[in-house]
Amino acid sequence: GQNIDQPTEMTATEGAIVQINCTYQTSGFNGLFWYQQHAGEAPTFLSYNVLDGLEEKGRFSSFLSRSKGYSYLLLKELQMKDSASYLCAVFDTDKLIFGTGTRLQVFP
Amino acid sequence: DAGVIQSPRHEVTEMGQEVTLRCKPISGHDYLFWYRQTMMRGLELLIYFNNNVPIDDSGMPEDRFSAKMPNASFSTLKIQPSEPRDSAVYFCASKGNRGSEKLFFGSGTQLSVL
Repeated sequence: GQNIDQPTEMTATEGAIVQINCTYQTSGFNGLFWYQQHAGEAPTFLSYNVLDGLEEKGRFSSFLSRSKGYSYLLLKELQMKDSASYLCAVFDTDKLIFGTGTRLQVFP
Repeated sequence: DAGVIQSPRHEVTEMGQEVTLRCKPISGHDYLFWYRQTMMRGLELLIYFNNNVPIDDSGMPEDRFSAKMPNASFSTLKIQPSEPRDSAVYFCASKGNRGSEKLFFGSGTQLSVL
């Protein structure tokens, strides 16, 4: 079966650092994605990890451990505009399977 | 490129009516995906196509749902008859061939079945 788990909600303060965890169990694995989705909008691509380790892109970093079925998204220097849902997704063969998402609220 | 284009943006219909959602993928993309998003279940994959051929429709909830891709630039998702529990946002997404795994999403269709 397929199972992707991430926390439902998180809160943080502007300027802080937040880490959103994701664990997965899928029958196949061709990579892990993080997408950002603002309310009422489509998901937009943030990061893609296919090998173990950390990928850094500006204020956002994503980590993958394939042996542990674990990933996290790290957001630094939080801004109000980072308030959104963050979706962890696993590429299983040819299809992208999403977790239910983590809703992040950033407070001033 | 205009990106993935979906229509309509909003659809309000009555229970029992037929609903047709439309999608134009990014030109040159070989894969097209239909997802449904609700608060309770998140983003669920309904069906996907490769080179216009349906590959996996195991996520289609019932026989009331059907999807077609008559050519590389157009796909439809049809619900007949529609029910209130079908109310959700329906997203279409496309991606290039193997080695280009990033999905690009359309703006979605907000469907309300009364």
